[in-house]
Amino acid sequence: EDKVVQSPLSLVVHEGDTVTLNCSYEVTNFRSLLWYKQEKKAPTFLFMLTSSGIEKKSGRLSSILDKKELFSILNITATQTGDSAVYLCAVRIQGAQKLVFGQGTRLTINP
Amino acid sequence: NAGVTQTPKFQVLKTGQSMTLQCAQDMNHNSMYWYRQDPGMGLRLIYYSASEGTTDKGEVPNGYNVSRLNKREFSLRLESAAPSQTSVYFCASSDPHRGRMNTEAFFGQGTRLTVV
Repeated sequence: EDKVVQSPLSLVVHEGDTVTLNCSYEVTNFRSLLWYKQEKKAPTFLFMLTSSGIEKKSGRLSSILDKKELFSILNITATQTGDSAVYLCAVRIQGAQKLVFGQGTRLTINP
Repeated sequence: NAGVTQTPKFQVLKTGQSMTLQCAQDMNHNSMYWYRQDPGMGLRLIYYSASEGTTDKGEVPNGYNVSRLNKREFSLRLESAAPSQTSVYFCASSDPHRGRMNTEAFFGQGTRLTVV
């Protein structure tokens, strides 16, 4: 059974802190790993990772994939209250085109 | 661009009633998905369609049926609604053509369904 596990499930930090969110996976045939941010409604796309060790970066957010150890991390530096959201990790399964999500990490940034 | 459009946005059903959630995308995507989202559970895959004319079960298909009516539309049907199906439902699509089969998924705005 394809499985994606995120940790922690919930995290509360102060504005300005740096956070690291984790995503591990066990799937039949890995194609790519995606990160999404979900505020009130629909998830919005952040990153897609297909190769190990290559960091993707967008402003204060960055992410990296380790295909040997089957995990990815999402880093957010100098957090702001606008970063408060649920962060979702998903894995695409090769061939079937299936997209399986983890439970999400609820991040709260306090001023 | 409308992207992915879901209807309705909200619905209240009585136990045993049936209904169909509609989803349409205007991005010419091959793959479409239906998810449900419950508190603390992330997004769970109900059914997906890798291309027009095909559908496959996801993690939680029981109590649901789907139809990939054409390339644009992918509907989700609850034949006999149960309180356990109270959830927020999201439709998504991805993969514009065979030469580009690994793109991010775009989501609709969700349908909040309550079964009483």
